Amino acid sequence: DVKVTQSSRYLVKRTGEKVFLECVQDMDHENMFWYRQDPGLGLRLIYFSYDVKMKEKGDIPEGYSVSREKKERFSLILESASTNQTSMYLCASTPAPGQTSNQPQHFGDGTRLSIL
Amino acid sequence: QKEVEQDPGPLSVPEGAIVSLNCTYSNSAFQYFMWYRQYSRKGPELLMYTYSSGNKEDGRFTAQVDKSSKYISLFIRDSQPSDSATYLCAMKRTQGGSEKLVFGKGTKLTVNP
Repeated sequence: DVKVTQSSRYLVKRTGEKVFLECVQDMDHENMFWYRQDPGLGLRLIYFSYDVKMKEKGDIPEGYSVSREKKERFSLILESASTNQTSMYLCASTPAPGQTSNQPQHFGDGTRLSIL
Repeated sequence: QKEVEQDPGPLSVPEGAIVSLNCTYSNSAFQYFMWYRQYSRKGPELLMYTYSSGNKEDGRFTAQVDKSSKYISLFIRDSQPSDSATYLCAMKRTQGGSEKLVFGKGTKLTVNP
């Protein structure tokens, strides 16, 4: 089974802090994704990566950056956390040799982040 | 018009009922269709994955795709309290050489014992 692991289930940070969310997958997948999930808004794509050191903006990248130094690890960074970034953050991965894949995404259990 | 529409519910049914969950979409470029189940405080878990129009069955679950009507459904037979969760539909299309996955907002289902 695919295993996508997010380092923290719950996290509380203060406004203005730099926040790191970590995601690791154990299936050698090329593609990795970061979403946030909010009531009434569903899942929204923040950033994704098709390869090591490669990243592309999703639908709502403002206020976020990402890092993919190793294939199995994809980090989401909140440069200066704000209260409107309080949310559930979900990481996902799929296998693919390129940018398209007919494989579904597999998700981690999420990090519930609160910014005070 | 939103690309994917899903009734948020909530939907409450008695144990043993047949449940029907639905999504409509507006973009005929969607090629792959998925249903995810998400329990409270957990990530979405893939339930069903289909490509073509028609039905796909897996145990008590049946996924149905009607591309001509741009309509997908998930049926749950003999529903159990353990089926209580939020169900998300998702659809994938290719766009300029990359893929785009669009989710519905989810339908919250409660199955009462």
